[in-house]
Amino acid sequence: GQNIDQPTEMTATEGAIVQINCTYQTSGFNGLFWYQQHAGEAPTFLSYNVLDGLEEKGRFSSFLSRSKGYSYLLLKELQMKDSASYLCAGLDSNYQLIWGAGTKLIIKP
Amino acid sequence: DGGITQSPKYLFRKEGQNVTLSCEQNLNHDAMYWYRQDPGQGLRLIYYSQIVNDFQKGDIAEGYSVSREKKESFPLTVTSAQKNPTAFYLCATTAPESSYNEQFFGPGTRLTVL
Repeated sequence: GQNIDQPTEMTATEGAIVQINCTYQTSGFNGLFWYQQHAGEAPTFLSYNVLDGLEEKGRFSSFLSRSKGYSYLLLKELQMKDSASYLCAGLDSNYQLIWGAGTKLIIKP
Repeated sequence: DGGITQSPKYLFRKEGQNVTLSCEQNLNHDAMYWYRQDPGQGLRLIYYSQIVNDFQKGDIAEGYSVSREKKESFPLTVTSAQKNPTAFYLCATTAPESSYNEQFFGPGTRLTVL
């Protein structure tokens, strides 16, 4: 079956760095997405990886290892506004998204 | 302003009543999707439509119905057959030029059935 696993909740301190991991099993693979979702709001696109390696976008970076079925989202210089859920989603061979349950990130001052 | 509109933001209904959630987009996107989100769970696909007058069931279509008569509109009806309809409902689209199916989301409708 298809499955996306990520931790339920993480806590970090303002100004620090946090890494949110995601492992995936999909029927075929056409890439992996990270979305940010603030409570009660819609998800917003953060990143897309289809090749192995690290993609950096400002304070946020995303990494993919296809051989390990593994990705992570790295957030640097954490700000209080980064408190949100982070959703990992894999794109399968039919170009359908398989979503993880999301990781709730709590930032403490 | 281009975007996806879902209304209302909050919706309350009595058990046994059908209710229709609206989703309108002016992005000129062909593909539209309906997801359901419950606390502690990932997004689950209800229905999707790649073109006008055509739609397919997602993973949890039972108790729901849709129509796609216009490119801009993809309303979702939650019927009385849906056993646990209270949830956050999200509508999404994908751009035709997107090579990897990036999805754009509307603001969502939180449905509470009393």
